[in-house]
Amino acid sequence: AQSVAQPEDQVNVAEGNPLTVKCTYSVSGNPYLFWYVQYPNRGLQFLLKYITGDNLVKGSYGFEAEFNKSQTSFHLKKPSALVSDSALYFCAVILPRGGSYIPTFGRGTSLIVHP
Amino acid sequence: DAGVIQSPRHEVTEMGQEVTLRCKPISGHNSLFWYRQTMMRGLELLIYFNNNVPIDDSGMPEDRFSAKMPNASFSTLKIQPSEPRDSAVYFCASSFAFRSSYNSPLHFGNGTRLTVT
Repeated sequence: AQSVAQPEDQVNVAEGNPLTVKCTYSVSGNPYLFWYVQYPNRGLQFLLKYITGDNLVKGSYGFEAEFNKSQTSFHLKKPSALVSDSALYFCAVILPRGGSYIPTFGRGTSLIVHP
Repeated sequence: DAGVIQSPRHEVTEMGQEVTLRCKPISGHNSLFWYRQTMMRGLELLIYFNNNVPIDDSGMPEDRFSAKMPNASFSTLKIQPSEPRDSAVYFCASSFAFRSSYNSPLHFGNGTRLTVT
């Protein structure tokens, strides 16, 4: 079945250290992949997407993500974490539904950056 | 652009009452999505519209839930009668879809936190 998964419910990292939030997918054909961030009491905000082209995608707030076709992964990364990066992160993939192709979200990963 | 606007931000009601949630999408967007977020179930897609037409409502949990989009700038999600298990944060999101593919990012409102007692 086509799907998206975030294997970690929570990721803890010290401020200044690199961070990785994992996402794996299972789709037929070429995947369209997205990352969103949700701060407390707010809606999800778009960070970046991969449609085609360079496997390393750069997005907002210094985040980037690497598309790896052989590992069917799209992990979110940042070289140096900030306490303000603490939030809930969602990976999404475009999947068929209702005759269309729409974003389907993972369950989310809570990122906690410790001072 | 003011972004996607949802109202109210908070709603507290008693079991059995009717609840109406409102959404104004971003001007120019032709697709609108209603999601529900809970700790237990994460982010669930309830229904989505394209050009004001409901495309897939298979995520609507029961007949107590209904959604309408009378025009391109307004949508409602209604729960009648409401139950405690409906307590959640409800999000509206809009985007521009080209043909039947939604490759453009979704723009979310800040949600309505519904509490049914």
